[in-house]
Amino acid sequence: EPEVTQTPSHQVTQMGQEVILRCVPISNHLYFYWYRQILGQKVEFLVSFYNNEISEKSEIFDDQFSVERPDGSNFTLKIRSTKLEDSAMYFCASGYRIYEQYFGPGTRLTVT
Amino acid sequence: SQQGEEDPQALSIQEGENATMNCSYKTSINNLQWYRQNSGRGLVHLILIRSNEREKHSGRLRVTLDTSKKSSSLLITASRAADTASYFCATVPPGQGAQKLVFGQGTRLTINP
Repeated sequence: EPEVTQTPSHQVTQMGQEVILRCVPISNHLYFYWYRQILGQKVEFLVSFYNNEISEKSEIFDDQFSVERPDGSNFTLKIRSTKLEDSAMYFCASGYRIYEQYFGPGTRLTVT
Repeated sequence: SQQGEEDPQALSIQEGENATMNCSYKTSINNLQWYRQNSGRGLVHLILIRSNEREKHSGRLRVTLDTSKKSSSLLITASRAADTASYFCATVPPGQGAQKLVFGQGTRLTINP
């Protein structure tokens, strides 16, 4: 069964550094998402992407964040200058239909 | 106020018993979904119930939706140790963007052998 994959599984970075989190969505999916989950807290929506552009973003998704689908298969989340409070699990999700979202296993980002 | 609040926050039962988790929400919804998350892992979609549906079954799972009370319940029958996980409800509110899921805090379910 096809699944969403994410790399790396764990990323440790220093405050102020740039990080790129990578996702490979399920191949025929059209909708792509990033969510994050700070330890012990709710899963929070960051951004949705459809037809090669951002369709919705949350207040969390400020100018430090960007997303790209560089080659039609990968879907990346970039954080330009990481802060301590960016430490969280980041989940990528994709879907063929608008309400169905299949989640990847997540990347644990630790900012020190 | 928070959209999608589950209760209880934690539930511990014996294997074989039924587990019931509840979710309440504040705004109107297009649909409500339940997800499972094993410790440190991704979210697994369990079941989706639309706003015009009242009950839905999938294997050992039974979900109900009461839009008048803005609440949903997830029942897992004949629980197994492998059901130990956190369970989240997620809503898709109309008018707030048809795509994003709004998650609750989750219920941590522990099945004791």
